[in-house]
Amino acid sequence: GAGVSQSPRYKVAKRGQDVALRCDPISGHVSLFWYQQALGQGPEFLTYFQNEAQLDKSGLPSDRFFAERPEGSVSTLKIQRTQQEDSAVYLCASSLSMQGPNTGELFFGEGSRLTVL
Amino acid sequence: DQQVKQNSPSLSVQEGRISILNCDYTNSMFDYFLWYKKYPAEGPTFLISISSIKDKNEDGRFTVFLNKSAKHLSLHIVPSQPGDSAVYFCAASALVINDMRFGAGTRLTVKP
Repeated sequence: GAGVSQSPRYKVAKRGQDVALRCDPISGHVSLFWYQQALGQGPEFLTYFQNEAQLDKSGLPSDRFFAERPEGSVSTLKIQRTQQEDSAVYLCASSLSMQGPNTGELFFGEGSRLTVL
Repeated sequence: DQQVKQNSPSLSVQEGRISILNCDYTNSMFDYFLWYKKYPAEGPTFLISISSIKDKNEDGRFTVFLNKSAKHLSLHIVPSQPGDSAVYFCAASALVINDMRFGAGTRLTVKP
């Protein structure tokens, strides 16, 4: 596809359940970002990949959050033992730039809305 | 800590008038600023950007102004159209950090 694709669009999980969210970036985009957007807030940075290397994971809120991009294209954000406070929209973005977001715009997917009951 | 702040959660203007959305930042290391537009159930889409070496960037009906001394930027939309109704996010980044920091957004409503 032409844009960033995320799946599932909506996910309802019971507290304690593990979830996996998938992101297909734009083909050829080197940089990939995950953001968490709580209701009424702006996107908050979680982690950043340059190709398959995870260069920054400082935004991951706990060790229950794990992200990977093993072949430098598709990425998966995994949340273990989900808690109610994990409920949010998880946005994936990609960029052609190899210098992080500073030299170009980010292209966002539609997001995966996670609701933890 | 909120390094990028959009203090107005909402703004309503009449079609044809000017919309002015404001954004303040605290980190003096930010050197690249962007505005994103978001419709419901969609991801944010890039609208316009400005580098810290400029104080103004214009693209059609959209102009972004940057006041570095005040750590303030604004987005002007003129004339405003009903299709501009969306949530607008201000974002800032710096070469020394890997992420882009976003404000909480301002919901713009343009009334016909």
